Amino acid sequence: KAGVTQTPRYLIKTRGQQVTLSCSPISGHRSVSWYQQTPGQGLQFLFEYFSETQRNKGNFPGRFSGRQFSNSRSEMNVSTLELGDSALYLCASSSDTNNSPLHFGNGTRLTVT
Amino acid sequence: EDKVVQSPLSLVVHEGDTVTLNCSYEVTNFRSLLWYKQEKKAPTFLFMLTSSGIEKKSGRLSSILDKKELFSILNITATQTGDSAIYLCAVGNNNAGNMLTFGGGTRLMVKP
Repeated sequence: KAGVTQTPRYLIKTRGQQVTLSCSPISGHRSVSWYQQTPGQGLQFLFEYFSETQRNKGNFPGRFSGRQFSNSRSEMNVSTLELGDSALYLCASSSDTNNSPLHFGNGTRLTVT
Repeated sequence: EDKVVQSPLSLVVHEGDTVTLNCSYEVTNFRSLLWYKQEKKAPTFLFMLTSSGIEKKSGRLSSILDKKELFSILNITATQTGDSAIYLCAVGNNNAGNMLTFGGGTRLMVKP
C-alpha cells in the first residue's frame, strides 16, 4: 500500500508570494491533517479535513487555508508568504476508525526568502 | 489547552545501552497517546496507547502509559546506531477529531 505522498518536496518562494502544497493520503483514508514543523515551535497543527469538510483548525492566521477533494486528496495554500513561514509542512492521513494513528508523508520543505 | 512535555531534550548513549524517554501531558478529554520516530523527514508511527498499565512492545522498543499520573515512557533496550532519531510524543483529544498535540521531542544519538 502506498504511503502518504506530498508534492513538491522542496519549494523556494519570495516574501509576498503564495504557495500551494499537495497531499495524497493512503488509499482508503478519508482524514487528512496538516502540520507545520519548525526548529523553534516543533510540530504544530494547522487543520484537519474529513470528507471534504474542515473538521478542526489550529491557531494559524487566515493566510493558511486548505481544502479536500472528493478523492480525499488535499491541498494547503499559504498566501502573502512571510519569512517565518519557512518550515517543513507535513501531511498525515488516517482511516478515522476508532483510534487509528496518523501516518505522515515526507513533507514539503518551504523556504521563504 | 492541551500540553505535552518531553524529557530529556537530548541524549547521547553508546550502542548497547538502554534508554528511557519521558512524556508528560495535560489534556482535557484524553483519547490516546502516540509515539513517533523521526529520522529525516516523515515521523513514523511506533505506538498508540489508550489504557494504563498495558505495555506495548515491538522488538527492542516498549512503552507504557499511566493515566493517573499523566505520563508515558518509551524504553529502548540494546540501542543501535539506527535508533538515532528524534522521538516525538503526542496526545489526542476526544473533542478534536484526529488533531494531535505534540511535545518538543527527544533527540537521541547512539554512538558506536
